[in-house]
Amino acid sequence: DAGVTQSPTHLIKTRGQQVTLRCSPKSGHDTVSWYQQALGQGPQFIFQYYEEEERQRGNFPDRFSGHQFPNYSSELNVNALLLGDSALYLCASSPPTGRDTQYFGPGTRLTVL
Amino acid sequence: AQSVAQPEDQVNVAEGNPLTVKCTYSVSGNPYLFWYVQYPNRGLQFLLKYITGDNLVKGSYGFEAEFNKSQTSFHLKKPSALVSDSALYFCAVRDRGWPSNTGKLIFGQGTTLQVKP
Repeated sequence: DAGVTQSPTHLIKTRGQQVTLRCSPKSGHDTVSWYQQALGQGPQFIFQYYEEEERQRGNFPDRFSGHQFPNYSSELNVNALLLGDSALYLCASSPPTGRDTQYFGPGTRLTVL
Repeated sequence: AQSVAQPEDQVNVAEGNPLTVKCTYSVSGNPYLFWYVQYPNRGLQFLLKYITGDNLVKGSYGFEAEFNKSQTSFHLKKPSALVSDSALYFCAVRDRGWPSNTGKLIFGQGTTLQVKP
């Protein structure tokens, strides 16, 4: 059973560009959450998707947007990239039962130059 | 506001000795508490959680954690440390969103565990 997968693994962009990160949840999971982990910090919650809707959002600007597809996979989009957006972006999924545990993917390392 | 504190940036322990990684929390209501481990350049791996019930929770790889409501703590423990346990450990509390399958995780800053041979 495949776990949470994310693509790409690494990404290098320049300031002002836009980026799309992708996440496929574990089989049977319907909720996807995104987190940003800056170097030396704990992950910070960006937003969460359930039933193709954004259910909860952290303290991130509107440059950060997302989408969930009918197959429960999800995308994170960041527009007008800033140097400070350089981080590890983590996707987590959780099941419709035993709902409390979020399982994380390996992350996408985004570097903004 | 809900928060999690991990007071130690780094914990050093000799292989074979017991280890403790400390976590305290501040929440309204009853907490959902979690421990995750992160190896270099990897995502987070779930270790264990406390939702309700027995205050001593057992998890993966021989780890356990003790929930103490009066001290608002959820310390991670292992009776005998291995060199392979060396990693970054995060304590987290789950915000109780609605429906119940929503709810963000609020993480501590992390504690680096170094186990020396």
